[in-house]
Amino acid sequence: RKEVEQDPGPFNVPEGATVAFNCTYSNSASQSFFWYRQDCRKEPKLLMSVYSSGNEDGRFTAQLNRASQYISLLIRDSKLSDSATYLCVVNKNTGNQFYFGTGTSLTVIP
Amino acid sequence: DTGVSQDPRHKITKRGQNVTFRCDPISEHNRLYWYRQTLGQGPEFLTYFQNEAQLEKSRLLSDRFSAERPKGSFSTLEIQRTEQGDSAMYLCASRGTSGTYEQYFGPGTRLTVT
Repeated sequence: RKEVEQDPGPFNVPEGATVAFNCTYSNSASQSFFWYRQDCRKEPKLLMSVYSSGNEDGRFTAQLNRASQYISLLIRDSKLSDSATYLCVVNKNTGNQFYFGTGTSLTVIP
Repeated sequence: DTGVSQDPRHKITKRGQNVTFRCDPISEHNRLYWYRQTLGQGPEFLTYFQNEAQLEKSRLLSDRFSAERPKGSFSTLEIQRTEQGDSAMYLCASRGTSGTYEQYFGPGTRLTVT
């Protein structure tokens, strides 16, 4: 079983739509969770950390469900510039290894 | 630019040749990671340094791969006797000591083995 699993998509949504991605992880001892954004042929860039209490940054909301071992990312009022691949990242319980999902592809359509 | 830098950005080599990549992390970051990413996949962990010590290595890192960080600053990743399956993007990331786990990535080195 993979450490981190994501639906690869693609998700094609119209501008202004709300879209949600989920990611499941297998190691219940994982401590840190992140969403990264990766544009085509570019490096991943940190979008947001995911905290136990959930956190929001503008149009983006991340949540963690430890009991079910998944994290989610909600994007409201989608913009064309949100088109990218969204990578779910979970650390190994030792803290020094990180596992990336395969990424979920989002295309926002005019 | 005070971000993570990698050199070269692109490398084309023939099968069987050796290649070496360099990563310069953010200057105050003491933790450095190497990842490999192939098309349609997320980055896969290769190895991790804290200062000059290589603390973790993935099973993906065969004996043809070696990484160093001799002075705890820049790092090199060498691949000996390259194979076509080594073609990928090699990403370096660094992290500070503030207690968070956020990593900052360099632009990557794209390797093509012909």
